[in-house]
Amino acid sequence: DIQMTQSPSSLSASIGDRVTITCRASQTISRYLNWYQHKPGRAPKVLIYAASSLQSGVSSRFSGSGSGTNFTLTISSLQAEDVASYYCQEGYINPPGTFGQGTKVEIK
Amino acid sequence: EVQLVESGGGLVQPGGSLRLSCAASGFPFSNYWMSWVRQAPGKGLEWVANIKQDGSATYYVDSVKGRFSISRDNAKNSLFLQMLSLRAEDTAVYFCARVTTTVVRTLLIYYFDYWGQGSLVTVSS
Repeated sequence: DIQMTQSPSSLSASIGDRVTITCRASQTISRYLNWYQHKPGRAPKVLIYAASSLQSGVSSRFSGSGSGTNFTLTISSLQAEDVASYYCQEGYINPPGTFGQGTKVEIK
Repeated sequence: EVQLVESGGGLVQPGGSLRLSCAASGFPFSNYWMSWVRQAPGKGLEWVANIKQDGSATYYVDSVKGRFSISRDNAKNSLFLQMLSLRAEDTAVYFCARVTTTVVRTLLIYYFDYWGQGSLVTVSS
């Protein structure tokens, strides 16, 4: 099975900061990597698919990069509404699959 | 408007069973893979199971294999998760999710584009 490891598990940043979350796959997964945002009490929301494609309607503050085993989600300028947990997910073995353990983003 | 509405959650004793349902509307249900994802209290998202459009293929996370069964009724636009031999560690909010497919640079990409609001399953004596 593919394991997905995110870092950090949590972070605190100021409004306007650039925030980076990393995700590492236990084996190469090409670009079969998605990113989701999840706020408490709400349904999760896809931000990025295929490692770097921005989902329609998602703010351009969000961007993704990477391929193979190493991936990054970047928030270019952190806003209050970005407080949430963020998850990477692989879609390599079967559609779709394992999530990373999540990164909780808070405002400093 | 795409809508996914889960039902069937509740309190069940360890070793018991429960059947979750997900009513889909606003899209051609039979054209999409569907999935179940759960979130245990204070924990992250965990993919549970997938089912192909016609039900001919199913996949499960190792921890539920042999105990959970995903199925669908395309005539009724409904997705199900039959859960047997429930354990305390199965306690979670269970979400149904639609899988959308797209091609990006020759890669066939799958991701969850719509989710329900979730149904709480509590396994406790």
